[in-house]
Amino acid sequence: QITLKESGPTLVKPTQTLTLTCTFSGFSLNTSGVAVGWIRQPPGKALEWLALIYWDDDKRYSPSLKSRLTITKNTSKNQVVLTMTNMDPVDTATYYCAHRRWDGVITTPFDYWGQGTLITVSS
Amino acid sequence: IVMTQTPLSLSVTPGQPASISCKSSQSLLHSNGKTYLYWYLQRPGQPPQLLIYEVSNRFSGVPDRFSGSGSGTDFTLKISRVEAEDVGVYYCMQSIHLPMYTFGQGTKLEIK
Repeated sequence: QITLKESGPTLVKPTQTLTLTCTFSGFSLNTSGVAVGWIRQPPGKALEWLALIYWDDDKRYSPSLKSRLTITKNTSKNQVVLTMTNMDPVDTATYYCAHRRWDGVITTPFDYWGQGTLITVSS
Repeated sequence: IVMTQTPLSLSVTPGQPASISCKSSQSLLHSNGKTYLYWYLQRPGQPPQLLIYEVSNRFSGVPDRFSGSGSGTDFTLKISRVEAEDVGVYYCMQSIHLPMYTFGQGTKLEIK
């Protein structure tokens, strides 16, 4: 059974750096084809993909946010960490982490999601 | 790339069909012959869940009343007979063009 859970502060001040941790179980980020991504959703708005890290430590970022994002993994702890610098009130959103699998034939991006964590950016 | 969904909202009587359109600004057909278009449902207060992958394949556990179709730039999600549990916001998503994953703006389904 695959599960993911996001953790981090609920409130950050403008200009601060946000650090979010995704702790997962039921799969290994050492397995070929597996990746974990981050997606956010401002209140009442649509989903926005942020970043993805692959089993082989390859990383991808949203071009519009690339300069502010860093994604890393700790396979021994089954965790993926996302940092976002220079936070602004427009970054207020629910942040989700999600599992992505490619079995060599079929790709199922974001087939399992965490419950999300609401991050509010305010002074 | 821009993903455009229509309608943005729809209200459906239980037992009746529903259809949601998703149009991409560029073709989602890869040189490998696959088309990387996905559908998700986000129920109220819940994270999104994967319904359909690669245009027309139902993900594990998804009822067969859900079906996906389309090619190139035009795609459709159909629900053959809407049930109360189908309420939520439906998103299409592409994964072939930068940014790596792009979602549509969402279509809200309500029950009459």
